[in-house]
Amino acid sequence: ETGVTQTPRHLVMGMTNKKSLKCEQHLGHNAMYWYKQSAKKPLELMFVYNFKEQTENNSVPSRFSPECPNSSHLFLHLHTLQPEDSALYLCASSQESGIEAFFGQGTRLTVV
Amino acid sequence: DQQVKQNSPSLSVQEGRISILNCDYTNSMFDYFLWYKKYPAEGPTFLISISSIKDKNEDGRFTVFLNKSAKHLSLHIVPSQPGDSAVYFCAASAVGTYKYIFGTGTRLKVLA
Repeated sequence: ETGVTQTPRHLVMGMTNKKSLKCEQHLGHNAMYWYKQSAKKPLELMFVYNFKEQTENNSVPSRFSPECPNSSHLFLHLHTLQPEDSALYLCASSQESGIEAFFGQGTRLTVV
Repeated sequence: DQQVKQNSPSLSVQEGRISILNCDYTNSMFDYFLWYKKYPAEGPTFLISISSIKDKNEDGRFTVFLNKSAKHLSLHIVPSQPGDSAVYFCAASAVGTYKYIFGTGTRLKVLA
């Protein structure tokens, strides 16, 4: 238990579906992140929120839409995804930049 | 262009011996370095970190060494145990950027 909880753990969705991934951190951190891990690739930073404000959008397609209603919760809304978007999506949080980030267990997403 | 590189995709070590995992980086702005351990279908778990003002940090069986002039860091695990078998990622960050850049990982297998 790292203090960062992601739901669901597994998700299978069709290309026309709309779904959302949820992340909650219980660590009192100020920054939250979405990362994507595809097979044989490094973890790719997608979005960063600092004090609820988006500070980074790493050229992510608009079919991925983040939402951060408060410092403890982060969502990733998904719509019209492609099969190549199938990956492990990881949420992380940190107290501030440049120190340890703590990760959730991830959501294994399969797009069919 | 990959700013953080782990050139060894896999490493096998006998139980009780030393495991040495290596990582190179290219961006001289990085000033904080982290190692994470990851089991299949789980999120990365923070292991140990080092600031650029130090050249060594030790925590139990784990020691991280930083050579800034060579832009190289390494993780030493002594003695290695079968439970250490996992994928190890190094990551780099610059304070204030809220970005953690990851390497591709090294799969460590500790043989009993």
